[in-house]
Amino acid sequence: DQQVKQNSPSLSVQEGRISILNCDYTNSMFDYFLWYKKYPAEGPTFLISISSIKDKNEDGRFTVFLNKSAKHLSLHIVPSQPGDSAVYFCAASADYKLSFGAGTTVTVRA
Amino acid sequence: SQTIHQWPATLVQPVGSPLSLECTVEGTSNPNLYWYRQAAGRGLQLLFYSVGIGQISSEVPQNLSASRPQDRQFILSSKKLLLSDSGFYLCAWSVRGQGVYEQYFGPGTRLTVT
Repeated sequence: DQQVKQNSPSLSVQEGRISILNCDYTNSMFDYFLWYKKYPAEGPTFLISISSIKDKNEDGRFTVFLNKSAKHLSLHIVPSQPGDSAVYFCAASADYKLSFGAGTTVTVRA
Repeated sequence: SQTIHQWPATLVQPVGSPLSLECTVEGTSNPNLYWYRQAAGRGLQLLFYSVGIGQISSEVPQNLSASRPQDRQFILSSKKLLLSDSGFYLCAWSVRGQGVYEQYFGPGTRLTVT
């Protein structure tokens, strides 16, 4: 049972524009949400996170928004850069375990 | 600073052969440890996690097993590999404690079962 869903498998965006990645979850017990970035043949690297008691967290070009009532979160990257081309995973935490979405492949076009 | 190592980086094994993947963490004590698998085109599936030496919890039934012989060592094993065991295996660690959620991943092992 997929508790964390990323319904867009891919996203193509022009350099300098905004990238918006979406994630939905079903388990209301999740209390912390994270985004990871992954390059091919490498392990995921932690990008940004948000607690369930907040609705926004910002770190440089990256902002995560959480809508608890809709069980939805999104990651905004602005401006998008060529180095942002990667697979992005949404993850949600209950206890000390993470449930991951299937990932969204972002391609930033020059 | 903390680092996490996995080896080997790539592995090609025949069906029915045994498997042993090793993961070690440096620069921290008493970490939580995790094994994940990423199948082609899919997300990360949690296979095992450990909150201490000898303490292993399995998330999905399978022909894989895990062991934690030392505080910062986590091993993934199989007695007989199946074709469906092919994938990208990732080890991760996190700080043990309340309110800590981030997990940090190793470089991964690409396993191909032929």
